[in-house]
Amino acid sequence: QVQLQESGPGLVKPSQTLSLTCTVSGGSISSGGYYWSWIRQHPGKGLEWIGYISYSGNTYFTPSLKSRVTMSVDTSKNQFSLKLNSVTAADTAVYFCARTNSGWYYFDYWGQGTLVTVSS
Amino acid sequence: DIQMTQSPSSLSASVGDRVTFTCRASQHISRYLNWYQQKPGKAPSLLISAASSLQSAVPSRFFGSGSGTDFTLTISSLQPEDFATYYCQQSYSGPYTFGLGTNLEIK
Repeated sequence: QVQLQESGPGLVKPSQTLSLTCTVSGGSISSGGYYWSWIRQHPGKGLEWIGYISYSGNTYFTPSLKSRVTMSVDTSKNQFSLKLNSVTAADTAVYFCARTNSGWYYFDYWGQGTLVTVSS
Repeated sequence: DIQMTQSPSSLSASVGDRVTFTCRASQHISRYLNWYQQKPGKAPSLLISAASSLQSAVPSRFFGSGSGTDFTLTISSLQPEDFATYYCQQSYSGPYTFGLGTNLEIK
């Protein structure tokens, strides 16, 4: 059973960089057929897909965040990461990592989510 | 971006009821439509992919249909554990977008 777990600071100051890591267990991040996504949910709101990365490092980001987002992958640790720079209060959200089917682009395994608050 | 519109935004129903949610895409998405269930404080869980493909371990009372722009999720006989928020998501083209959800509440 594939499991994902987000980790990182729960509080980030405005204008700084939000950094999160997702650790994958129960399966290899290098296995074919999947991308690895970040999705966020503002408090009490809907879901927003941020972007994905492949095990080889190919990325695709949502245009509204593209200028501020970086993703990386570490296959040796079975982890992938998100960096979002120049954060504001509008970036306060629960951040989820999720496995993404590379053919149909659905999210079949999710981490539990981690709340990141942007505040001074 | 493709906009996804879900209706109703909330629904009250009783155990044993049959309920149907709808999801409409702002443009043709073939069958690239997925449904998720989310309970408070939890991550979403994939119920149905490709409009009608039930995920393993998801009860058969869940049924998805549709293609093109209009899709439905039906729960044939509500169980207590089904009260949650349901989201649709299009995966036809990036960025992959979600509807705002339908909150299913106990009547």
